[in-house]
Amino acid sequence: ETGVTQTPRHLVMGMTNKKSLKCEQHLGHNAMYWYKQSAKKPLELMFVYNFKEQTENNSVPSRFSPECPNSSHLFLHLHTLQPEDSALYLCASSQDGSGRAAYEQYFGPGTRLTVT
Amino acid sequence: AQTVTQSQPEMSVQEAETVTLSCTYDTSESDYYLFWYKQPPSRQMILVIRQEAYKQQNATENRFSVNFQKAAKSFSLKISDSQLGDAAMYFCAYRWDYGGSQGNLIFGKGTKLSVKP
Repeated sequence: ETGVTQTPRHLVMGMTNKKSLKCEQHLGHNAMYWYKQSAKKPLELMFVYNFKEQTENNSVPSRFSPECPNSSHLFLHLHTLQPEDSALYLCASSQDGSGRAAYEQYFGPGTRLTVT
Repeated sequence: AQTVTQSQPEMSVQEAETVTLSCTYDTSESDYYLFWYKQPPSRQMILVIRQEAYKQQNATENRFSVNFQKAAKSFSLKISDSQLGDAAMYFCAYRWDYGGSQGNLIFGKGTKLSVKP
């Protein structure tokens, strides 16, 4: 496996279910991100982890719970979601650091989530 | 607040022709980076081209080039000799950079590009 992988690719869940999205990066990066992509809206940054520490929580509801056990893995735990949470959830990683460098974010293919 | 605006929800181009996608942004920062990302129907977003704000020269990557107008806060993407594989959503993105700190990527809403054979 190369790059950034995400599982599952598709997920349908009821509002009372608990599920988890998984992201794995094979690039040796130290920063990982969760984004939400809804139709006709810009990508919304949800969470940022840098060296396994959460550095950003972009006012995300508590029904979304991230976990970053190491710099290669990122999870998004879901519980009691609402239909408006249906979207494409993208994971990304980058080599964060200092200095003048445009640290490119590498994206995974996404998980298409449908909440019924 | 920093914002990125893509005013063209959809664009269409004939194969082998040239198309330009528009992007404007709003920021009070002087050091930042601008990006164009491509998201094909398979959904994996990939970086097409990047531009450092401190560089006056426009970035180019093969058939892709940008027209960066810093004073006008404009960052358009030109695709030359369009190919069927160029059909995708294109997102313009911005990130500030200052003194070793970096902001998060801010994306526009995207432009859906169709390529006609």
